[in-house]
Formats: sequence, C-alpha cells, structure tokens
Amino acid sequence: KAGVTQTPRYLIKTRGQQVTLSCSPISGHRSVSWYQQTPGQGLQFLFEYFSETQRNKGNFPGRFSGRQFSNSRSEMNVSTLELGDSALYLCASNAPGTTNTGELFFGEGSRLTVL
Amino acid sequence: GENVEQHPSTLSVQEGDSAVIKCTYSDSASNYFPWYKQELGKRPQLIIDIRSNVGEKKDQRIAVTLNKTAKHFSLHITETQPEDSAVYFCAASLIGSARQLTFGSGTQLTVLP
Repeated sequence: KAGVTQTPRYLIKTRGQQVTLSCSPISGHRSVSWYQQTPGQGLQFLFEYFSETQRNKGNFPGRFSGRQFSNSRSEMNVSTLELGDSALYLCASNAPGTTNTGELFFGEGSRLTVL
Repeated sequence: GENVEQHPSTLSVQEGDSAVIKCTYSDSASNYFPWYKQELGKRPQLIIDIRSNVGEKKDQRIAVTLNKTAKHFSLHITETQPEDSAVYFCAASLIGSARQLTFGSGTQLTVLP
C-alpha cells in the first residue's frame, strides 16, 4: 500500500511569491492534516480536511489556506511568502471513519525555503 | 488552547541503558497522548499512544505512563540500541480531534555505542 505522497519535496521561493503544496493520502484515508515543522517552533498544526471540508484550523494567518478534493488529495497554499515561512510542511492522513484511532501517517514533507 | 512542554531537549545514554522523556500538558480535557519518533531526514512515525482511561501501556522495550491528576506523561525506553537514536515528540489532543495534535518541542535522543 503506497504511503502518503507529497510534492514537491523541495522548493525555493522569494518573498512575496506564493506556493502550492500537494498531498496524496494513503488510499482510503479521507482525513488529511497539515503541519509546519521548524527548528524553533517544532511541529505546529495548520489545518485538517475531511470529505472536502475543513474541520479544524490552527493558529496561522489567513495567508495559509488549503483545500481537499473529492479523491481526498489535498493542497495547501501560502500567499505573500515571508522569510519565516521557511519550513518543512508535513501532510498526514488518518484512517477513515475512526474517531478512536489517532495514528497519523506522515508524508516525507515539502521543504520550503523563502529567500 | 493546549500547551505541551517536553523535557529534556537532548538526552544521551549508553547503549543498554534506559531513557526517559517527560511531557506535561495544560488542557485537562485532553485524553489522547501519542509519541512520535522522527529519524534524521525522515517522517515522524507513531511508536506508542495512550488514552486517558489507561495509566500505563507497554510495547516491548517501550512504555508510556500517564498521570492525569498531575497532567504529565512519560516515555520509557529500556535496553536502548543505536537505532533508537532519533528525535521523539510527545503530543496531546482530544480523541475526537486526534488529527489536531499539539506537539511538544522534541527530544533528541542519542544512544552511544
């Protein structure tokens, strides 16, 4: 069974640009969450999507947005990039229909560098 | 919102010794506490989790204990091996919102041969 796939794996942008990251969850997983990982702040929750609906959102500015498609694939977008947005962006999927199983299956991440 | 503090930030042990990592949480409503291991350059992976209706859970060399009254939980690794070297993250959430985890800051564990 294929794992969580994130693209692109690495990208470099300049301040003010925007970026779109993609995540394909494990087949059959309908929940997709996004996390930002930085050396200073650790792992921070961005948002979670389930059946194309955003269910939870972390404490990030509106420049961070996301969406989920009918096939459960998800994208996140960051507009007007700032230097502080440089981070590893991790996507995680979760088994369907289970509120009692919390295991998140992470992708390898998309490493964003903002110059 | 929830806040999770994790100590120590770095930990070095001799191979074969035990390692203990401690976390405290602030929201008494949290009832799900997973631990993730992240090897260098790799994705975080769940190694063990515990729910608030259980005080201790063990899986081979790994165990987690939970003290709901004190709002802290700990990871215990016995008979450490070099492949245990990694960053370990504790986290907390509500079971119904288990995908919205609040993570601790991580512990870099180094097992010295």
